[in-house]
Amino acid sequence: DAKTTQPPSMDCAEGRAANLPCNHSTISGNEYVYWYRQIHSQGPQYIIHGLKNNETNEMASLIITEDRKSSTLILPHATLRDTAVYYCIVRVLGRSNYQLIWGAGTKLIIKP
Amino acid sequence: EPEVTQTPSHQVTQMGQEVILRCVPISNHLYFYWYRQILGQKVEFLVSFYNNEISEKSEIFDDQFSVERPDGSNFTLKIRSTKLEDSAMYFCASSREPNTGELFFGEGSRLTVL
Repeated sequence: DAKTTQPPSMDCAEGRAANLPCNHSTISGNEYVYWYRQIHSQGPQYIIHGLKNNETNEMASLIITEDRKSSTLILPHATLRDTAVYYCIVRVLGRSNYQLIWGAGTKLIIKP
Repeated sequence: EPEVTQTPSHQVTQMGQEVILRCVPISNHLYFYWYRQILGQKVEFLVSFYNNEISEKSEIFDDQFSVERPDGSNFTLKIRSTKLEDSAMYFCASSREPNTGELFFGEGSRLTVL
């Protein structure tokens, strides 16, 4: 089962920052948090990941709380094309390799 | 920008038929994956593959499923005898490194079993 919980849906106005929360209270010390998005049944797209420090790239910023029990993905200036399902994923160790266990995600709708 | 390509984009088949879904991973990637997503449901891991062998598989990946890298570029998923519940979107992904969560996904192959 996924180790993350996310709100099922959110709205954001175009041009504003979209802040997507994620709870992962059972995360272990060496488990990374990954964010992906999926635009209308297309293939998932990697956004960003982190362990304990905040991270930023050209797509987004990831803020992880000090206790690592939650994180927030920030899209600084949301556009209509950012409408998608956003998945917060904890990478866990399977039988021999790390795996991404996907939850239901947050459906983010950007409104004009 | 290099990308993962999948064919066919959509396949309709009769229950009990064999299906092969094809993927061309990014050329310098060595680790390959199949995931599936039943309509309206979560993305589910099926299998990972490296160095011509399966490195990890889920409970979904039973004896009806197999994967192969028949040449230097293709990576295939075969379903031997399709069932209605195999209807789903199948996503291929590849990565440069092992044990990374940064995967590059294809656009998917939609399988409809009648």
